[in-house]
Amino acid sequence: QKEVEQNSGPLSVPEGAIASLNCTYSDRVSQSFFWYRQYSGKSPELIMSIYSNGDKEDGRFTAQLNKASQYVSLLIRDSQPSDSATYLCAVNRSGGYQKVTFGIGTKLQVIP
Amino acid sequence: NAGVTQTPKFQVLKTGQSMTLQCAQDMNHNSMYWYRQDPGMGLRLIYYSASEGTTDKGEVPNGYNVSRLNKREFSLRLESAAPSQTSVYFCASSSGVLAAQETQYFGPGTRLLVL
Repeated sequence: QKEVEQNSGPLSVPEGAIASLNCTYSDRVSQSFFWYRQYSGKSPELIMSIYSNGDKEDGRFTAQLNKASQYVSLLIRDSQPSDSATYLCAVNRSGGYQKVTFGIGTKLQVIP
Repeated sequence: NAGVTQTPKFQVLKTGQSMTLQCAQDMNHNSMYWYRQDPGMGLRLIYYSASEGTTDKGEVPNGYNVSRLNKREFSLRLESAAPSQTSVYFCASSSGVLAAQETQYFGPGTRLLVL
């Protein structure tokens, strides 16, 4: 079992719809969870971080964490073509900054 | 502020050649990292430096060496390049203060092809 699992996609959604990106992790003691966006040919950039169970909202983005189910998700409301990118889930497994593990990323395509 | 910078942007090597990838950050961060990114594999940590003067192995250190030259600079050296080292290499930095809640800031990447 991979430590951080994501469906590689592509996930296609129409413009204006809600995009739902999912991530599961295997280490039950994981503490911190991050979503990075990576445009093709570019470097990852952080868009959301979440540390406790529940929802965290930032503009059109909502991160959801369920530690009991070892599941973290990212919702993008009112999806725009500019949201088309690969979204990387990252998990800090045990508290040290060197312990961050990245998933392979989900490619999102927003269709105009 | 430039953030995290990397040189070169692209490089083609022949098997057995050596090269050094350079990375610098101007955010006064303590911690720096080298990752490689391959299709279907995600980002994998090669080496990291928690603070100036320290370096440690990550998930895939074989075939690489690093030097934390000072607080700003962290270089990655391939002593004898192999085709399996064809990849995109990212340098990243973080404050080194918040531990589990650290945000990592990435450089633009170096695309390396080993023939």
